[in-house]
Amino acid sequence: NAGVTQTPKFRILKIGQSMTLQCTQDMNHNYMYWYRQDPGMGLKLIYYSVGAGITDKGEVPNGYNVSRSTTEDFPLRLELAAPSQTSVYFCASSYGQVNQPQHFGDGTRLSIL
Amino acid sequence: RKEVEQDPGPFNVPEGATVAFNCTYSNSASQSFFWYRQDCRKEPKLLMSVYSSGNEDGRFTAQLNRASQYISLLIRDSKLSDSATYLCVVNIAVDSSYKLIFGSGTRLLVRP
Repeated sequence: NAGVTQTPKFRILKIGQSMTLQCTQDMNHNYMYWYRQDPGMGLKLIYYSVGAGITDKGEVPNGYNVSRSTTEDFPLRLELAAPSQTSVYFCASSYGQVNQPQHFGDGTRLSIL
Repeated sequence: RKEVEQDPGPFNVPEGATVAFNCTYSNSASQSFFWYRQDCRKEPKLLMSVYSSGNEDGRFTAQLNRASQYISLLIRDSKLSDSATYLCVVNIAVDSSYKLIFGSGTRLLVRP
């Protein structure tokens, strides 16, 4: 019963490096989301996808890119890591957008030094 | 004004106490409402949806007041394991899509 799986769980990057945060779900959900959560703050939506091949910006998309080539996978890419991107990143998925809760992965803790 | 506002707490209560959290939202067109629970350094997990008529799940009761634009969560007979941050979440329509807006959370500490 995997649900939403995120890798890696922890990562330290140097300024200017790039990396991809992986997210996969096995619930056949069309909707997938990436959030970041800074200490003591609520979740902020980075990007979301309503289905394979369709992505859209959320509240804080700058510095990130996403793709959705399959229903299962929704990777998040950081091209030029900056200290402001130090955060905990959560991927989530849902069956629908209205009256449907989101199911979260257990997060990726990312530090940019 | 934030779209979803919560008292950050912490609420420090003894075991067995009853505690209530409120949350206000600014968008009157909000469609659906949830309470999530988040343990320290963990992912948010759905606690319960909030229905217009109010709903109960064991020791937890959620209420929605659309006229005043707030939702509430009541926890009866608090347990040590209830210690967590409780996130108020509102689903709003944005252009042709919907987005979940998360509050910053209310922290609950249940002491022995």
